[in-house]
Amino acid sequence: SQQGEEDPQALSIQEGENATMNCSYKTSINNLQWYRQNSGRGLVHLILIRSNEREKHSGRLRVTLDTSKKSSSLLITASRAADTASYFCATALSGTYKYIFGTGTRLKVLA
Amino acid sequence: GAVVSQHPSWVICKSGTSVKIECRSLDFQATTMFWYRQFPKQSLMLMATSNEGSKATYEQGVEKDKFLINHASLTLSTLTVTSAHPEDSSFYICSALAGGPNNEQFFGPGTRLTVL
Repeated sequence: SQQGEEDPQALSIQEGENATMNCSYKTSINNLQWYRQNSGRGLVHLILIRSNEREKHSGRLRVTLDTSKKSSSLLITASRAADTASYFCATALSGTYKYIFGTGTRLKVLA
Repeated sequence: GAVVSQHPSWVICKSGTSVKIECRSLDFQATTMFWYRQFPKQSLMLMATSNEGSKATYEQGVEKDKFLINHASLTLSTLTVTSAHPEDSSFYICSALAGGPNNEQFFGPGTRLTVL
């Protein structure tokens, strides 16, 4: 079964609003990454957060990680129509190089 | 970042034929590559781990005789879908492990397979 569960499954917001997506996972991890995927395209790496980090920023992105709750969140501030995409978290299981992807959140930003 | 390519980007084939998909790391060597499959509106599912010079490791439920993986060099892994059927139609994505402190993986752009 997949490692990560994301919620919400789908999110529709107005341009300029913030979007928050959550990811939960089941076992110990080395790190957690967030990816974006436009429809029918490959993955774009957004941000990596290590298991000993709690928060990370990159431009309009803010990622948090709570290893005690086995959860992470991705916040996109001041969203734009171009942010419309599917967002996935991926976790690297401790002791392995394998990345397991979450179920994904489909974000739609309305202009 | 490092670049991973896939070829072809899309392929349409008849049921019963075999299709080979290539995954190349263009500017780094990768002893380990991964193959994922993604059905429409679903997430990526790890199919197998491709190890240079040794047999691939398949995830539970993935038929190794159906999905042949060859990792003959440090920059190339191939996935061959044998005797393809319409249910094999999917988006196949590879990634290459670049190593380093984060064991970062770089993903290819994907190959869309349609089996008629």
